[in-house]
Amino acid sequence: DAKTTQPTSMDCAEGRAANLPCNHSTISGNEYVYWYRQIHSQGPQYIIHGLKNNETNEMASLIITEDRKSSTLILPHATLRDTAVYYCIVDNAGNMLTFGGGTRLMVKP
Amino acid sequence: DAGITQSPRHKVTETGTPVTLRCHQTENHRYMYWYRQDPGHGLRLIHYSYGVKDTDKGEVSDGYSVSRSKTEDFLLTLESATSSQTSVYFCAITPTAHSGANVLTFGAGSRLTVL
Repeated sequence: DAKTTQPTSMDCAEGRAANLPCNHSTISGNEYVYWYRQIHSQGPQYIIHGLKNNETNEMASLIITEDRKSSTLILPHATLRDTAVYYCIVDNAGNMLTFGGGTRLMVKP
Repeated sequence: DAGITQSPRHKVTETGTPVTLRCHQTENHRYMYWYRQDPGHGLRLIHYSYGVKDTDKGEVSDGYSVSRSKTEDFLLTLESATSSQTSVYFCAITPTAHSGANVLTFGAGSRLTVL
């Protein structure tokens, strides 16, 4: 599986868009990009995933660059409850996901 | 989390004692996983199962065994617990297929302290 690189931490003002970057320069053609988040003391929660095209659901949007070497998770209107650690993972739809350190997002009033 | 429960949620035990953590699902999903989470290490895969009696090792399987005698239950056993196994353990499940991708649903976690 390809490795990912994420900033260790980010801040975002409440009500503003939170843009979380992820680099995955060695991603293979059949590997998906997944985003999960983990709110303190809870189990990780799936957010969104994509292969080539940009994706949007009720939680977030995922923008994948044309060369697929990087992506951005967008939370359009961040709330205090979005404070969490966000994990970017790439995987080829196999049976194991590898979670790295993630980005600690702090949403501030 | 809906459809997946872990027990016990909290356990304190002594070094050398056996410990079994249970993951129970009501979703009839084929794949089940055990992860551990420690400060500075993210989540690391211990073992996983791809069907009844079908299991395989993950990244940090030493000191752990698993069993899956029924679709709904995946047991993680520490035969002789050590202090290094103090951790939060998460179970996860995924259905057979999801548009070719692999979306995990996690349990609430089991916090194990080995004294």
